[in-house]
Amino acid sequence: AQSVTQPDIHITVSEGASLELRCNYSYGATPYLFWYVQSPGQGLQLLLKYFSGDTLVQGIKGFEAEFKRSQSSFNLRKPSVHWSDAAEYFCAVGMNTGFQKLVFGTGTRLLVSP
Amino acid sequence: NAGVTQTPKFRVLKTGQSMTLLCAQDMNHEYMYWYRQDPGMGLRLIHYSVGEGTTAKGEVPDGYNVSRLKKQNFLLGLESAAPSQTSVYFCASSSGQLVTDTQYFGPGTRLTVL
Repeated sequence: AQSVTQPDIHITVSEGASLELRCNYSYGATPYLFWYVQSPGQGLQLLLKYFSGDTLVQGIKGFEAEFKRSQSSFNLRKPSVHWSDAAEYFCAVGMNTGFQKLVFGTGTRLLVSP
Repeated sequence: NAGVTQTPKFRVLKTGQSMTLLCAQDMNHEYMYWYRQDPGMGLRLIHYSVGEGTTAKGEVPDGYNVSRLKKQNFLLGLESAAPSQTSVYFCASSSGQLVTDTQYFGPGTRLTVL
């Protein structure tokens, strides 16, 4: 069955440290990949997306993600975290399995320590 | 430009009561979506619409009805609320395909069913 896994429920990172959030998916065809961020009390906002081409994609707010087909992964990274990055991050995968659907992971909550 | 707005922001219902959630978008998007967000489960698609006058079932449609009488509005109805429908509801819209186009989210409605 198609699925999206974000193995880390919570991650705490010191301000200024680097960040990597993991996302793995299960899907037989080429996926459409997204990362969304949800700040407290807000809706989701798109950080970046990947459809094809260069497997390293740049997004807003200094985030990037790398698609690794062999590992079925699309991990999100940021070289230096700011306190304002504290939020919940969702990986999502667009799949076409007879009908289209966007499957979200369960999210990773990022805490930033001073 | 307000983007996607949702009304109300919070609501408490008793079991068996009915209510309608309103979603409005001012981006002239064709596609609109209703999701529910539950702890540890990510976002799940309830219903969606690919244009004015059309609706379709998503992943978890039972207990909900929707209508899209105007392009800019997408209504989600609960005819007889149940405690299992306690959740945060998000509306989203996009200009095109569900699996490829960026979805723009509203701020959410927190619903509690007692």
